[in-house]
Amino acid sequence: QVQLVQSGAEVKKPGASVKVSCKASGYLFTGYYIYWVRQAPGQGLEWVGRINTNTGATNYAQRFQGRITVTRDTSLNIVYMDLERLTSDDTAYYFCARGQAPAAYDFWGQGTLVSVSS
Amino acid sequence: QSVVTQPLSVSGTPGQKVTISCSGSSSNIGGNTVSWYQNLPGAAPKLVILVNDQRASGVPDRFSGFKSGASASLVISGLQSEDEAIYYCATWDDSLTATVFGGGTRVTVL
Repeated sequence: QVQLVQSGAEVKKPGASVKVSCKASGYLFTGYYIYWVRQAPGQGLEWVGRINTNTGATNYAQRFQGRITVTRDTSLNIVYMDLERLTSDDTAYYFCARGQAPAAYDFWGQGTLVSVSS
Repeated sequence: QSVVTQPLSVSGTPGQKVTISCSGSSSNIGGNTVSWYQNLPGAAPKLVILVNDQRASGVPDRFSGFKSGASASLVISGLQSEDEAIYYCATWDDSLTATVFGGGTRVTVL
């Protein structure tokens, strides 16, 4: 069965970086994009970025440009999201999801809470 | 402020029909497919409508999606208590080169 399993919760100080992983199983890893979506406590869904797991090509939301890097390891079926220069506004659950289409994500990871506080 | 807009809330009694609208522009809904998600507290979003009017696997047929021009809607017919949740529309935006989500609509079963 399709599964996306994310790394555990992180607590970071402002200015630090965080790396969240997303391990995929149960399907052909390189056949689907992986997307990242975040949700701050009590807030709506916000698109973060995506990676073409076959080619490695990425797209990021404009507000994260310059401080986000999404990569993949096709030997381990893992996608990584690296977010730098964290601020308190980055406190949120970060989800990875498999994309059937650019906005249609059929399987989701369990979410990783990233807390940024001094 | 999202580039696609949804009403903040809709409500209905059990068995009623409710409609959630999602309005965009030619650069997003007008030229791309629309998906819908159900979001319960503490859980990852669940895909309800895959593309425009196609239900995701395992979704009850009381959920229907529609798209016309630069607008879309999600209809829940025969509302049930377990449908209480926040629903989001999502689509690709060609100008932003990004997926955009609506602000979310809270469905309350009275």
